[in-house]
Amino acid sequence: AQSVTQLDSQVPVFEEAPVELRCNYSSSVSVYLFWYVQYPNQGLQLLLKYLSGSTLVESINGFEAEFNKSQTSFHLRKPSVHISDTAEYFCAVTKWGAAGNKLTFGGGTRVLVKP
Amino acid sequence: DAGVTQSPTHLIKTRGQQVTLRCSPKSGHDTVSWYQQALGQGPQFIFQYYEEEERQRGNFPDRFSGHQFPNYSSELNVNALLLGDSALYLCASSLGDRGVHEQYFGPGTRLTVT
Repeated sequence: AQSVTQLDSQVPVFEEAPVELRCNYSSSVSVYLFWYVQYPNQGLQLLLKYLSGSTLVESINGFEAEFNKSQTSFHLRKPSVHISDTAEYFCAVTKWGAAGNKLTFGGGTRVLVKP
Repeated sequence: DAGVTQSPTHLIKTRGQQVTLRCSPKSGHDTVSWYQQALGQGPQFIFQYYEEEERQRGNFPDRFSGHQFPNYSSELNVNALLLGDSALYLCASSLGDRGVHEQYFGPGTRLTVT
């Protein structure tokens, strides 16, 4: 079975400051890794994903995440946040190549961007 | 192109009652997964339907059941509601039941059990 730990439940940050959201996972098999964002009163939107290849993946809105297999981590970073980045962020994994692609989520990190 | 839609958006039920939630997948998708998101927590996988069959199930009791129709839409049924069933229920659709395909989420149905 897989498990995901997001080490920070809340992260307050000032506008234009950098932010890092930590995610560690546990799995006995290879996994795909995802970051989802949930804005207030909305469903989840995929932010970025790691399937294979380069360990650094980027989103179109300035976020990036780095897969570290030895540390079983997939931390999310943004060098300069905007007020509109205020949301809850979820790290998730799914087993590589197995039938059934259920996502196992972490508990989420709430980001509050202050002006 | 319509994304994943869910109905109703909000629902209030009494303990012991039964509820049915509905989901229409994104156009072209054939796989539907259901998740329960309790307040302040991450989503928990309930089950997944592919080719009208339940293909995978999480750690939820038999009170939770589902169905997928030939047009790929899906229903989630919960019997004998408990207070602890209060949550946001999310539906996600994808193409195929393998991990590489992105799951698209609907806005959810907020269920309150009183």
